[in-house]
Amino acid sequence: NAGVMQNPRHLVRRRGQEARLRCSPMKGHSHVYWYRQLPEEGLKFMVYLQKENIIDESGMPKERFSAEFPKEGPSILRIQQVVRGDSAAYFCASSPSSVRANYGYTFGSGTRLTVV
Amino acid sequence: QQQVKQSPQSLIVQKGGISIINCAYENTAFDYFPWYQQFPGKGPALLIAIRPDVSEKKEGRFTISFNKSAKQFSLHIMDSQPGDSATYFCAASKADYKLSFGAGTTVTVRA
Repeated sequence: NAGVMQNPRHLVRRRGQEARLRCSPMKGHSHVYWYRQLPEEGLKFMVYLQKENIIDESGMPKERFSAEFPKEGPSILRIQQVVRGDSAAYFCASSPSSVRANYGYTFGSGTRLTVV
Repeated sequence: QQQVKQSPQSLIVQKGGISIINCAYENTAFDYFPWYQQFPGKGPALLIAIRPDVSEKKEGRFTISFNKSAKQFSLHIMDSQPGDSATYFCAASKADYKLSFGAGTTVTVRA
């Protein structure tokens, strides 16, 4: 039973390029959460998605960032025109339901984005 | 602003010693307080959690102490082992799906 799978593990982008981060939730989980961890800081909530729906994107920067969780396939976090400040570790978590979902969070190993 | 404040930023302890990490929060609506352990290159993994109706919870060598009136909680690692060397995060949430994390404490256990 695979856990939350994220890829790539490491991603290097030049300023102005696009970054696409993928997250496959645990089997049977239909709720996905993205968190960002800046250097020397804790994780910060970005967005909560269910299949084909964005439930809460209150933690997403207003520009350049978007997320989706299509009916088929992994959840995608997309960062357009990356800047150096986007360098961080991006973690995805999943849960089987939204009821007290944080009780059942399972995090993936993350994608470490470096913008050069 | 940081909803959960964590200290110290790092600590070094000898094998067999006690590691203590402290966290403080302001939002009295928080009702769930987990601790996560993170090894380099890995995602955070739930270690132990407590709810505010309990003042202490122990699982093996790990103990959470909770002081509701002071709005503080702490993690004690007893008999620290080199394998405990990791970054520890406290967190808090209200009755929903969002976790507010502290900034983390890097624990180094010297053999």
